[in-house]
Amino acid sequence: QVQLQQWGAGLLKPSETLSLTCGVYGGSFGGYYWNWIRQSPGKGLEWIGEINYLGTTSYNPSLKSRVTISVDTSKIQFSLKLTSVTAADTAVYYCATLAVADGFDVWGQGTMVTVSS
Amino acid sequence: DIQMTQSPSSLSASVGDRVTITCRASQNISRYLNWYQQKPGKVPKALIYAKSNLHGGVPSRFSGRGSGTDFTLTISSLQPEDFATYYCQQSYGNPRTFGQGTNVEVK
Repeated sequence: QVQLQQWGAGLLKPSETLSLTCGVYGGSFGGYYWNWIRQSPGKGLEWIGEINYLGTTSYNPSLKSRVTISVDTSKIQFSLKLTSVTAADTAVYYCATLAVADGFDVWGQGTMVTVSS
Repeated sequence: DIQMTQSPSSLSASVGDRVTITCRASQNISRYLNWYQQKPGKVPKALIYAKSNLHGGVPSRFSGRGSGTDFTLTISSLQPEDFATYYCQQSYGNPRTFGQGTNVEVK
């Protein structure tokens, strides 16, 4: 059964770059899209973007200018970079697959990222 | 972008009640609608995919219906562990979008 485990820095200063990585364990990496999602304190879920094993990406237009999602197939992991962070980027960040028609839906444990001077 | 609108934003209910949450898409999303349950401080849990298919281990009191633009999540008999926030999410197109959430609280 596929499990996602994520890691990265949890405290950033304004203007720094957020960097998170998500490892995929116990299943196939190919054939799926791997997502990043965030949730600001007390708020709903916001999709950041996705990538597949070939490196094909799609980003939320609201974040596109600051976001890069990359994949490392040799390590079976994918990563998120978000540049020029502000307090508005404070959130729990999740890596996940999101089911389309096949029910493959797995989430990482979440990483709380706080942006504060 | 496809906008997802849930109603109500919150509801109060008692154990044993039948609860229905509605999710409306701003355009046709066929059957590509997922439902999630989230409890405070926890990772969202997938309940239903492709409008009506229960994920493994999800109790049968949960059901999903609809197609096109209008969808519902129904809990046939609310249990104590069902008090939570519920989100719909469309997987028809990018960017993927979520509803704003429906908080089911104790009456």
